[in-house]
Amino acid sequence: DSGVTQTPKHLITATGQRVTLRCSPRSGDLSVYWYQQSLDQGLQFLIQYYNGEERAKGNILERFSAQQFPDLHSELNLSSLELGDSALYFCASSPRGQENYGYTFGSGTRLTVV
Amino acid sequence: LAKTTQPISMDSYEGQEVNITCSHNNIATNDYITWYQQFPSQGPRFIIQGYKTKVTNEVASLFIPADRKSSTLSLPRVSLSDTAVYYCLVGDISNAGNNRKLIWGLGTSLAVNP
Repeated sequence: DSGVTQTPKHLITATGQRVTLRCSPRSGDLSVYWYQQSLDQGLQFLIQYYNGEERAKGNILERFSAQQFPDLHSELNLSSLELGDSALYFCASSPRGQENYGYTFGSGTRLTVV
Repeated sequence: LAKTTQPISMDSYEGQEVNITCSHNNIATNDYITWYQQFPSQGPRFIIQGYKTKVTNEVASLFIPADRKSSTLSLPRVSLSDTAVYYCLVGDISNAGNNRKLIWGLGTSLAVNP
């Protein structure tokens, strides 16, 4: 157990729907990062939050949004889902917003859009 | 952001030492080099990080030459359980929470054979 908790582990939904993925960072970590990993693809950085505020944005679609709550857990909202959104979505956390301490990743949410 | 180049795949046998080299020709002064390991359907796991010369931990060693334009991850006496994808990342650690986005390539897929 890495200490980063992601729920749900699996999600199957239809095109056009909206889903919410949840992440609880490791205790003491202030930064949360969201990544998308499609089949046979590298990890694509989506967005970073630090202590409740958006800190960095990557290749996140406008249909996707995220937030980090006062208790530091984060949610990634995916709307108007398309078949191409099927992927593994990982959440990672790090202390004090510095990647040099190393990300700690959760086990991911596997999203299947049918 | 420093781009990295790694071999797509490598094969080895149990008990051998494996060296995976990563090229990062445009590494910046403040950039650190970090390696992660990822098993199928799991989040990446931090292995080792370094800035220059040699770093060793209980899992691996990281060799960085003086010009820092490449680095080599060394896995001693690999076992079947070391079969995974290994990612080399290069990033700036200077300011906490700055808008840095580490680029994850496709990594090196290591297959350890019996």
